[in-house]
Amino acid sequence: NAGVTQTPKFQVLKTGQSMTLQCAQDMNHNSMYWYRQDPGMGLRLIYYSASEGTTDKGEVPNGYNVSRLNKREFSLRLESAAPSQTSVYFCASSEDRETYKNIQYFGAGTRLSVL
Amino acid sequence: AQTVTQSQPEMSVQEAETVTLSCTYDTSESNYYLFWYKQPPSRQMILVIRQEAYKQQNATENRFSVNFQKAAKSFSLKISDSQLGDTAMYFCAFMNPSRDSSYKLIFGSGTRLLVRP
Repeated sequence: NAGVTQTPKFQVLKTGQSMTLQCAQDMNHNSMYWYRQDPGMGLRLIYYSASEGTTDKGEVPNGYNVSRLNKREFSLRLESAAPSQTSVYFCASSEDRETYKNIQYFGAGTRLSVL
Repeated sequence: AQTVTQSQPEMSVQEAETVTLSCTYDTSESNYYLFWYKQPPSRQMILVIRQEAYKQQNATENRFSVNFQKAAKSFSLKISDSQLGDTAMYFCAFMNPSRDSSYKLIFGSGTRLLVRP
């Protein structure tokens, strides 16, 4: 029972490089989310996808793009990485956004360092 | 804007004893959800417990229970019979399921809990 799978687990980039963080869930969930976690802080929402084919900005979207490839997969792209994007990135999914189906399940995170 | 505050950066407790982690939040909404998530050293975020604001009864899950005080906007987590495996970072989170909301989780800054043998 994999749940939410993120790849890679670790990544080091140089300033200006690009990369895509991958996320896949096998729970047939409709909604997916990308968060970042900085030291001493809770998670903050970058982008979310309420359903297949839709994406919306969260609290801190600048410098990122997302793609909801299909119901299972939701990727996060850094087009030109900056040191300020050094963080731990979490993907999450929920069956739906409403009522009792709104529990979000998280992946194990990707630790990204931008030098 | 909604905010979540966890005023205890670190706490420690002796194994088998009880500990309470504090959380307060600020919102003008009447319908919302509150969560406690646990983040062990593995970094995995694990749901501990969830509370619906419209429910008067405090949620419980085995050794974990909450004290939900809606008027005071307080949502504390009590861990009974603490175990070494409870050592982790604990995050309080708020969700407002309003029509225009992203249904995002708004997290506090966390409380690091150490269970001492």
